[in-house]
Amino acid sequence: DAKTTQPNSMESNEEEPVHLPCNHSTISGTDYIHWYRQLPSQGPEYVIHGLTSNVNNRMASLAIAEDRKSSTLILHRATLRDAAVYYCILPGGTSGTYKYIFGTGTRLKVLA
Amino acid sequence: EAQVTQNPRYLITVTGKKLTVTCSQNMNHEYMSWYRQDPGLGLRQIYYSMNVEVTDKGDVPEGYKVSRKEKRNFPLILESPSPNQTSLYFCASSLGQGSVYEQYFGPGTRLTVT
Repeated sequence: DAKTTQPNSMESNEEEPVHLPCNHSTISGTDYIHWYRQLPSQGPEYVIHGLTSNVNNRMASLAIAEDRKSSTLILHRATLRDAAVYYCILPGGTSGTYKYIFGTGTRLKVLA
Repeated sequence: EAQVTQNPRYLITVTGKKLTVTCSQNMNHEYMSWYRQDPGLGLRQIYYSMNVEVTDKGDVPEGYKVSRKEKRNFPLILESPSPNQTSLYFCASSLGQGSVYEQYFGPGTRLTVT
């Protein structure tokens, strides 16, 4: 199963951009890169996902390296509400299984 | 409103007393999944289901059972709960089984086994 590596924690000032990195050097050609976040005392929440091209939605942008071995989740203007644990995952597995391996993610602290 | 619901939200029980945590989604999703979350270990997948009557083990299936008799429901069954199953449990669903689909999570069930 493809594995991702993320920093344990990051800090950002409010209203500044945040770049959350993720390494996934064993990614396969058909693996989508997913990002989820978990606010305190809540279930994980979908943020964004992509395959090869950079992706944008109302929550964030996803920048995917040309070789797809890494990606970066970009929050354009961090707010206090963005303080959460962010997970980068590659859903999928062998033999047509579809496991999700979340890991421990990156804890983002937003400073007022 | 499109959502994944779980019941109960909080449960305290004793070792060995069978329990079921229900999960339901109203989005006609094919794929459903159960996770447990423990401090320092992140989210770990217990079981998943790719469609009605099709289930498979995740990374930590021991001590759990699931069933998928209807598309919308995916209950998690603990036949003989033990204290090491004290955890926060999340149910999730997605439209299909491919990695192109995003997952939607329920609010969680906090289980304590004494």
